[in-house]
Amino acid sequence: DAGVIQSPRHEVTEMGQEVTLRCKPISGHNSLFWYRQTMMRGLELLIYFNNNVPIDDSGMPEDRFSAKMPNASFSTLKIQPSEPRDSAVYFCASSLGLAADSYEQYFGPGTRLTVT
Amino acid sequence: KNEVEQSPQNLTAQEGEFITINCSYSVGISALHWLQQHPGGGIVSLFMLSSGKKKHGRLIATINIQEKHSSLHITASHPRDSAVYICAVSGSRLTFGEGTQLTVNP
Repeated sequence: DAGVIQSPRHEVTEMGQEVTLRCKPISGHNSLFWYRQTMMRGLELLIYFNNNVPIDDSGMPEDRFSAKMPNASFSTLKIQPSEPRDSAVYFCASSLGLAADSYEQYFGPGTRLTVT
Repeated sequence: KNEVEQSPQNLTAQEGEFITINCSYSVGISALHWLQQHPGGGIVSLFMLSSGKKKHGRLIATINIQEKHSSLHITASHPRDSAVYICAVSGSRLTFGEGTQLTVNP
C-alpha cells in the first residue's frame, strides 16, 4: 500500500489567496484526521471524519477553514482567505476505526504551507 | 498547565545509552500514543497503549493509569533514533505533548 498520500507537499501562496490541501487515505480505512503543526503550538487536531462524515470540527480555528470528504478515498482542507499565521505543516492521517484508543493512525508526509 | 507534559524537552545521548522519555497527563484518557517524527518531518506511530507495557525491538513503552504517567524507553540507542518523540493522549479528542527532541551521537 502507498500509505496516506498528501498533495501538494509544499505550497507557497500570498495572503488572501485560497489554498486547498488534498489527502488520500489508506484504502479500507474509514477514519480520516487533519492536523496542523507549528513551532508555537505543536500538533493540533483540526477535524476528523468517520465514514466520510465530519465527527468533530472543534479544532478548526476559524470560518476561513473548511474540510470535506466527498468519498472514502479523498478529503480536502481549504483555507479561504489565507493569512500568514496559517503557515504550518498540515498532516492528514487515517485509521481503520474511529476510536483513538483502539486504532493506530497512519500519517501522511504532510503539506508545508507558507503564506506570505 | 498543559494537559500533556513531556520531559525532558531536549535530550542528547551517546550511542549505546539507555534512554527514557516521560509523559504525564492530567485528563482522563482511554489510550496513550507515542509518535516519532523524523528530521524530514514524517510522523510514525510507535505505540498505542492503555495499560501495562509494550515492546517493539529496542523500544519499550509503559503506562501507569493511576499515576497518569507513561515512559518511552530506548535500549542500546543509535544515531538513527535521533528524532522528536511525541506523546498523545486520547480522551474526548487526541491531545499532544510538545515533544522531546532526542539526539544520539555516535
